[in-house]
Amino acid sequence: QVQVVQSGAEVKKPGASVRVSCKASGYTFTNYYIYWVRQAPGQGLEWVGVINPTSGSTVYAQKFQGRVTVTRDTSTSTVYMQLSSLRSEDTAVYYCARDFGEGLDVWGQGTTVTVSS
Amino acid sequence: AIQMTQSPSSLSASVGDRVTITCRTSQGIRNDLAWYQQKPGKAPKLLIYAASSLQSGVPSRFSGSGSGTDFTLTISGLQPEDFATYYCLQDYNYPRTFGQGTKVEI
Repeated sequence: QVQVVQSGAEVKKPGASVRVSCKASGYTFTNYYIYWVRQAPGQGLEWVGVINPTSGSTVYAQKFQGRVTVTRDTSTSTVYMQLSSLRSEDTAVYYCARDFGEGLDVWGQGTTVTVSS
Repeated sequence: AIQMTQSPSSLSASVGDRVTITCRTSQGIRNDLAWYQQKPGKAPKLLIYAASSLQSGVPSRFSGSGSGTDFTLTISGLQPEDFATYYCLQDYNYPRTFGQGTKVEI
């Protein structure tokens, strides 16, 4: 079945980096963009960025420019999101989701990233 | 960036009620808007795309309308499983922006 499966929870210290993976299966990986969205505890949804799996081109929210890098490995149908210089405000659940062109129709289960000293 | 104003932030309703949630954008976005439902501890779920198209598998009591800057999500005949938080998302341009969310409570 069509799905995207994310890596497990992470606990990081302030200033460190984290890499979250998102493995797609059940569909042609290069046909759909992958989005990253995060949700801080008790807060709403926040768009982080997007990657075109075919070209590898990315667009990021200005808030994360310089700290976030999204890449893909077409050989394994996996997208990676790396966030550096972590601070406590980055504590959140990070989701990847497939964009079918007019909406995000397949979501990962979410990855909890906790930033704490 | 396009600003999204979603209202209300929360509402109380009963089973069987008709519920309306609105989303207003700071500039015209044609019909490039989607609605999502999120339950606690779960990933969001796509309900409506292109402002008024029902995602496959979503009950027909959910409907969307609007274009330009004003959009509405309507739930006709609220069911117990509909108590959740709802978000709008514009996909007109980057950066994508979400509404602040509407929590539908009993």
